[in-house]
Amino acid sequence: GQNIDQPTEMTATEGAIVQINCTYQTSGFNGLFWYQQHAGEAPTFLSYNVLDGLEEKGRFSSFLSRSKGYSYLLLKELQMKDSASYLCAVKDSNYQLIWGAGTKLIIKP
Amino acid sequence: GAVVSQHPSWVICKSGTSVKIECRSLDFQATTMFWYRQFPKQSLMLMATSNEGSKATYEQGVEKDKFLINHASLTLSTLTVTSAHPEDSSFYICSARGGRGDYEQYFGPGTRLTVT
Repeated sequence: GQNIDQPTEMTATEGAIVQINCTYQTSGFNGLFWYQQHAGEAPTFLSYNVLDGLEEKGRFSSFLSRSKGYSYLLLKELQMKDSASYLCAVKDSNYQLIWGAGTKLIIKP
Repeated sequence: GAVVSQHPSWVICKSGTSVKIECRSLDFQATTMFWYRQFPKQSLMLMATSNEGSKATYEQGVEKDKFLINHASLTLSTLTVTSAHPEDSSFYICSARGGRGDYEQYFGPGTRLTVT
């Protein structure tokens, strides 16, 4: 079966750095996405990785290792507004998005 | 960036009635649209995928006669929840993807449906 695992919840301090991990087992791979979702709102796109390595975009970076079926989202200089759920999703061989359950990130002052 | 709108943003209806939710891509042509449902504290659940001009493909366990999807044009898809029941209360989100090899799905703001 297809499976995406990410921690249910994480807590970090304002101004710090946090890494949210995602491991996946899917039938085929056509890219991995990270989305941010605030409570009661739709997800917003953060990053897309299809090749191994690190993609940096401002305070957010995303890393992919296809051989390990592993990705992480790195958030630097955390702000209170970063409190949200972070969803990892993988596009499988049918170009279908398989979603993880999301990681709820709590930022404390 | 690409913008997707949904209407209404929230709706309350009585059990047994039908509700239609619209999803529009405002500044691009969406060859494929997706409908998701999300229950509280859970991840997105794909309900169906629709391509313009053809019948929607429903995920296993989603009743096609209950959740009617129409993708009549490259900018509009509708989801109609027929004979709604309280267990249909959920957050319904659409997303759209363009046909130019665009890998990203653009999400609408979601519609919160409450069935009383």
